[in-house]
Amino acid sequence: GQQLNQSPQSMFIQEGEDVSMNCTSSSIFNTWLWYKQDPGEGPVLLIALYKAGELTSNGRLTAQFGITRKDSFLNISASIPSDVGIYFCAGHMDSNYQLIWGAGTKLIIKP
Amino acid sequence: EADIYQTPRYLVIGTGKKITLECSQTMGHDKMYWYQQDPGMELHLIHYSYGVNSTEKGDLSSESTVSRIRTEHFPLTLESARPSHTSQYLCASSMAGRETQYFGPGTRLLVL
Repeated sequence: GQQLNQSPQSMFIQEGEDVSMNCTSSSIFNTWLWYKQDPGEGPVLLIALYKAGELTSNGRLTAQFGITRKDSFLNISASIPSDVGIYFCAGHMDSNYQLIWGAGTKLIIKP
Repeated sequence: EADIYQTPRYLVIGTGKKITLECSQTMGHDKMYWYQQDPGMELHLIHYSYGVNSTEKGDLSSESTVSRIRTEHFPLTLESARPSHTSQYLCASSMAGRETQYFGPGTRLLVL
């Protein structure tokens, strides 16, 4: 089936550092979504992207829809302890009715 | 803010019992979904619905069944729970024509 490659799988960072993660695919997507999931909770939508090249911010978070439509990036600036969690990307293709999900990036802040 | 609810939040049950996980949304969304997720792992779609009386199986085979008699309600049933069904079950919904899905808090199921 279709796959999204999400990287890195996990990140250990210091509080205050900037964070970058990305998702790539061999297929073209028309929508990219970024979610955050806290332990024991459902994923919460962070940013939705609908156009190639689109750059959208939500507070300290910024996400971009790649020009090739095969990738997307999420950046978090000046990380804080509540940023800890798992970040998932999801994409949608015209040829498939359902979302394709990445495997997640686990963000851990070093004490 | 998404208004989608799941009950129970946690369920511990013995093998062979029948269980129903409830999911309701108050946003009037046509599309609803059930995902299965092991802790810290990726989401797997097990059922979805485009509207009332529409149900489809997802990519991950599941022994559960679903029904969609009302727009706002999408329950999932396991006729005979087994330890292999232990997981987190997430319900989501989206508007017709939009792919952005909104999730409930999940039900964590433990089958002994």
